[in-house]
Amino acid sequence: TQLLEQSPQFLSIQEGENLTVYCNSSSVFSSLQWYRQEPGEGPVLLVTVVTGGEVKKLKRLTFQFGDARKDSSLHITAAQTGDTGLYLCAGALSFGNEKLTFGTGTRLTIIP
Amino acid sequence: ETGVTQTPRHLVMGMTNKKSLKCEQHLGHNAMYWYKQSAKKPLELMFVYNFKEQTENNSVPSRFSPECPNSSHLFLHLHTLQPEDSALYLCASSQKEGNTGELFFGEGSRLTVL
Repeated sequence: TQLLEQSPQFLSIQEGENLTVYCNSSSVFSSLQWYRQEPGEGPVLLVTVVTGGEVKKLKRLTFQFGDARKDSSLHITAAQTGDTGLYLCAGALSFGNEKLTFGTGTRLTIIP
Repeated sequence: ETGVTQTPRHLVMGMTNKKSLKCEQHLGHNAMYWYKQSAKKPLELMFVYNFKEQTENNSVPSRFSPECPNSSHLFLHLHTLQPEDSALYLCASSQKEGNTGELFFGEGSRLTVL
């Protein structure tokens, strides 16, 4: 069983549309990160959320950490082709724990 | 150079070859990691080093042998690999104290085992 399930697994939408991807778990995390990985590159950290219910905005990207710290969502407004990539969530089970658990990933394609 | 750099970016090897992957970080971090990324699987943690000491070996077969001579360099020595070991191998680093597990990744080494 996967500790962190991401949905959808694949998403293809037109440029300018909005979208939300989800990261769900039955475990409680002390913090959760979102990464984006472009083809041929390593994942790049987008944001870290720490507090239950926390909402963080990064330009057109809005990240939310669930109140119970078991799930998270990423909402993109007015998607652009540069948003194309593999989106990974990763949870830390305790502070200072070097073992992050990664989700299954959502592969997003923005069509011009 | 800045960040985390990995070499080679691409490697093709036979099952009887011996090769090594190299990772170098210029971020002043104390922890370094090897991850394996295969198609349709989540990132799999292989090894963790903190202050040059191995703190995690996630049941990795002995045909993968890590080496961390100092907190800036990390190697993954490969020998007698299997075709199913073909994957993208990612190196990452992070601060140890007071961190929230944030990782800084290299671009990866794409390994193909024939």
